[in-house]
Amino acid sequence: KQEVTQIPAALSVPEGENLVLNCSFTDSAIYNLQWFRQDPGKGLTSLLLIQSSQREQTSGRLNASLDKSSGRSTLYIAASQPGDSATYLCAVSRGTYKYIFGTGTRLKVLA
Amino acid sequence: DTEVTQTPKHLVMGMTNKKSLKCEQHMGHRAMYWYKQKAKKPPELMFVYSYEKLSINESVPSRFSPECPNSSLLNLHLHALQPEDSALYLCASSQPPLGQGGTDTQYFGPGTRLTVL
Repeated sequence: KQEVTQIPAALSVPEGENLVLNCSFTDSAIYNLQWFRQDPGKGLTSLLLIQSSQREQTSGRLNASLDKSSGRSTLYIAASQPGDSATYLCAVSRGTYKYIFGTGTRLKVLA
Repeated sequence: DTEVTQTPKHLVMGMTNKKSLKCEQHMGHRAMYWYKQKAKKPPELMFVYSYEKLSINESVPSRFSPECPNSSLLNLHLHALQPEDSALYLCASSQPPLGQGGTDTQYFGPGTRLTVL
């Protein structure tokens, strides 16, 4: 059974710091991995999707990497801003239409 | 337009009520999803419709009844719910995957906050 864990569960950093969020999964047989952000009480916003054949994807200040063999993905956020405060979720796709979500990292960026 | 809309935003219902949640997208996506999310937990998949046909039912109790009237609309009919069904209900859509397996980028709506008294 695929299990997806995110560490740390919560993170508080001063504005301007570069930070790394981690996502670990137990079964490396995945089709792709997607990173989302979720603001309190709101829906999820897709940030990046990495196909299983890719090593990384970049969008603006965000960079996500994928190492299937070790069952790990990282989301790098450069020059963090208070507007980045949210919960970040990774999700791995192992079957058609099925995403298994990680436990999430609650990020707070202090002004 | 990359928007998924959901109505209502909030819903309070008694255990004997019948209500419906609605979801709409105009991105031409042929896969639509219902998720349930409890506070401080990740979303849990409930149902998937692919080309307007029910593709996945994750052993959801029959008091939840999905419906996909056309390629843009997805409903979730609620009847005889329990207080533990109180949660944020999220709708999402995506293109069906190319080839075998996998899941394309999912676009989520803002959710309906459901409270069952």
